Amino acid sequence: GDSVTQMEGPVTLSEEAFLTINCTYTATGYPSLFWYVQYPGEGLQLLLKATKADDKGSNKGFEATYRKETTSFHLEKGSVQVSDSAVYFCALSDNKFYFGSGTKLNVKP
Amino acid sequence: EAGVAQSPRYKIIEKRQSVAFWCNPISGHATLYWYQQILGQGPKLLIQFQNNGVVDDSQLPKDRFSAERLKGVDSTLKIQPAKLEDSAVYLCASSLGTSGRAYEQFFGPGTRLTVL
Repeated sequence: GDSVTQMEGPVTLSEEAFLTINCTYTATGYPSLFWYVQYPGEGLQLLLKATKADDKGSNKGFEATYRKETTSFHLEKGSVQVSDSAVYFCALSDNKFYFGSGTKLNVKP
Repeated sequence: EAGVAQSPRYKIIEKRQSVAFWCNPISGHATLYWYQQILGQGPKLLIQFQNNGVVDDSQLPKDRFSAERLKGVDSTLKIQPAKLEDSAVYLCASSLGTSGRAYEQFFGPGTRLTVL
């Protein structure tokens, strides 16, 4: 069945450091891929998405590219801020939604 | 635009008691989802409605969980009787459609359930 695997956290970085959170997926069809973010005490919010191979999703300085050949959708940001501290979820949709287990990011000033 | 509303935000009950959660989706959203999020894990889909019909309830423990979406708008999720392992955050989400894979889901703040 379909599934999403993302790197375990927590990830701790200093402000302005480069961020990568790895995400790989398994799917029988051609899913859409998403990154959601959950700030402390809040619900999940869509961060970015990509609907087909080689698409790049971007938002708030975050980027992720849909790589069909490596079945990956890694999240990157060139310079993180303290306000980026949150839990990040990779997800896929192929009529049903599947979420990864989440990666907690802590950014220190 | 108002977001997805859920209530209550927190609930503490003893095992074997019953509990109900309420969700009001974004106006005009045909699809409504209930997820269970256990601490440290990603959300797990319990049930998906398209208007007032069930699209997917394959992961809903039907011996104790039930959900309905009367009139295709708001929805309730019930647990009866509750078990310790039901302690989790219950998330409601809605989207405009479902068959289009790109439809974004909008999430409510969740209900944190603690079963003692």
